[in-house]
Amino acid sequence: RKEVEQDPGPFNVPEGATVAFNCTYSNSASQSFFWYRQDCRKEPKLLMSVYSSGNEDGRFTAQLNRASQYISLLIRDSKLSDSATYLCVVIRGDTDKLIFGTGTRLQVFP
Amino acid sequence: DAGVTQSPTHLIKTRGQHVTLRCSPISGHKSVSWYQQVLGQGPQFIFQYYEKEERGRGNFPDRFSARQFPNYSSELNVNALLLGDSALYLCASSLGGTGAQETQYFGPGTRLLVL
Repeated sequence: RKEVEQDPGPFNVPEGATVAFNCTYSNSASQSFFWYRQDCRKEPKLLMSVYSSGNEDGRFTAQLNRASQYISLLIRDSKLSDSATYLCVVIRGDTDKLIFGTGTRLQVFP
Repeated sequence: DAGVTQSPTHLIKTRGQHVTLRCSPISGHKSVSWYQQVLGQGPQFIFQYYEKEERGRGNFPDRFSARQFPNYSSELNVNALLLGDSALYLCASSLGGTGAQETQYFGPGTRLLVL
């Protein structure tokens, strides 16, 4: 079983839609959580950190549920420019390495 | 400010050859990590270096090695290339303090194709 699991998608949604991605992690020692965005043939870029209290950045909301060991990302009012792969990332408490999920591909159409 | 830079951007090699990939971190960052991303997968951790010392190693064979220089730039070396080594190799830099809470910034990557 992979340490970080995501539905690879693709999720095809119209502009203006709300879309949610979930990610589960298996190691309870995981300490830090992030969502990265990766455009086709580009490097991953940090979208947002994820906190237990939940956090929002414009149209993006991230939530962490430690008890159930899952992380979510909600995108409201989807734009064409949101089309990308969204990578769920965790860091275990005993290491600095980023552990990535396989990514969830989002395609927003007009 | 310049971000993380990597060279070369693309590389084609044949099986059995070796390759050296280079990375320059963001100015002021002392930690460099290397990741391998094969098509359709998330990046996989290979190495992390901090202050020229190896801080972490992923589950990769000994054909993979790396080092960090006094100016904090880094090289990743892969010997005896296999077809399965074809991937995007990403370098990430961070300040290099406690680590777990730090943001890692990725370079554009080196796309390696092994024929």
